[in-house]
Amino acid sequence: GAGVSQTPSNKVTEKGKYVELRCDPISGHTALYWYRQSLGQGPEFLIYFQGTGAADDSGLPNDRFFAVRPEGSVSTLKIQRTERGDSAVYLCASSYKGGTEAFFGQGTRLTVV
Amino acid sequence: AQSVTQPDIHITVSEGASLELRCNYSYGATPYLFWYVQSPGQGLQLLLKYFSGDTLVQGIKGFEAEFKRSQSSFNLRKPSVHWSDAAEYFCAVGAAQAGTALIFGKGTTLSVSS
Repeated sequence: GAGVSQTPSNKVTEKGKYVELRCDPISGHTALYWYRQSLGQGPEFLIYFQGTGAADDSGLPNDRFFAVRPEGSVSTLKIQRTERGDSAVYLCASSYKGGTEAFFGQGTRLTVV
Repeated sequence: AQSVTQPDIHITVSEGASLELRCNYSYGATPYLFWYVQSPGQGLQLLLKYFSGDTLVQGIKGFEAEFKRSQSSFNLRKPSVHWSDAAEYFCAVGAAQAGTALIFGKGTTLSVSS
């Protein structure tokens, strides 16, 4: 596609439920990033993929968070046993291999009630 | 510690007036510096970036920024603000290599008065 696509744009879930957030990067971009943006804050890094593998997952806050990118394109961020504190906008970005400019999607706003 | 500080949470300027948004960073390695803009409900759009060379960089929408190594600053400027510039602005820093996560400031919200 023309840009980074994230679905759904909004997700409301109950505390304790499992959610999946999807990111479809720009075609040909091998690098993919997930960030989380809480209200009133800047984006915070979660995980970085180069191809299919997670090259840096140091930003994942705990083991309830997991992300995959099985074919090196679409990525899914998975959150288990959601908590109210997980409510945030989850942003995905992609770039060319070796590129330093990341292109961001519009984000998924997750609300845990 | 690596960090980005944007001292101004909210700024209001009159349409047609000049603008300067401040950004200070703390980073252990050679930094790449970025300014992004985020409109309500939108993703982040890159305004400009600094990697090396000329310390005054030009970006889109008439924005520019100046890198001052001695002050660890990368302030964003625009000579004449338009109402459409109202948005949230984020400064970010990353390492001078691909694949490095960006560290963002908390952002500055710009309001434009008529």
